[in-house]
Amino acid sequence: GGIITQTPKFLIGQEGQKLTLKCQQNFNHDTMYWYRQDSGKGLRLIYYSITENDLQKGDLSEGYDASREKKSSFSLTVTSAQKNEMAVFLCASSIGTGGALYAEQFFGPGTRLTVL
Amino acid sequence: QQKVQQSPESLTVSEGAMASLNCTFSDGTSNNFRWYRQHSAKGLEVLVSIFSDGEKEEGRFTAHLNRANLHVSLHIREPQPSDSAVYLCAVSMRQSTGNTGKLIFGLGTTLQVQP
Repeated sequence: GGIITQTPKFLIGQEGQKLTLKCQQNFNHDTMYWYRQDSGKGLRLIYYSITENDLQKGDLSEGYDASREKKSSFSLTVTSAQKNEMAVFLCASSIGTGGALYAEQFFGPGTRLTVL
Repeated sequence: QQKVQQSPESLTVSEGAMASLNCTFSDGTSNNFRWYRQHSAKGLEVLVSIFSDGEKEEGRFTAHLNRANLHVSLHIREPQPSDSAVYLCAVSMRQSTGNTGKLIFGLGTTLQVQP
């Protein structure tokens, strides 16, 4: 089996600050995802990447940058944190690229963001 | 845009009684349905994936899919207090480009299993 590690577990930022979240997976999966989970809004896809150096926008990409530095890691940057923002950011990965219809997405434990 | 709705919002059952959770979706061409469980302050754990009409069982968890009715359900047999968690339904369809199908999540059902 494999594991997805997200760092940090908790992130406290200031309004306007640029904040970076990191995700590592050792499944050797091709595709990685970043989701945002807000209370009452469910999970929404921010970015995904089907291979190293690839980036695909999700529904919520505005205000975020992402980087797939290598196959095992996928970073997300909040470009300017919004005051009183609170959300959980979940990273996931799945095997395969274009033919990944049936591929399970495995999730990390999340990073909890609070903006003061 | 696909809409996924879950009901009930919260559910309390006694240990050992069947728990039934519902999920409706708006796009009848969807062909990829998953149920996830999320314990407090933890990531998502996939319980059952189902891709065609009918039933799929994984241990104590059974999913029923009826695409004509735009409905997929999850039934938990003999629930235990450790099953208390948020249950999320996720739906996707393969895109014409062949890229990974995007998962659309419902808001979840919070299940409480009382001893």
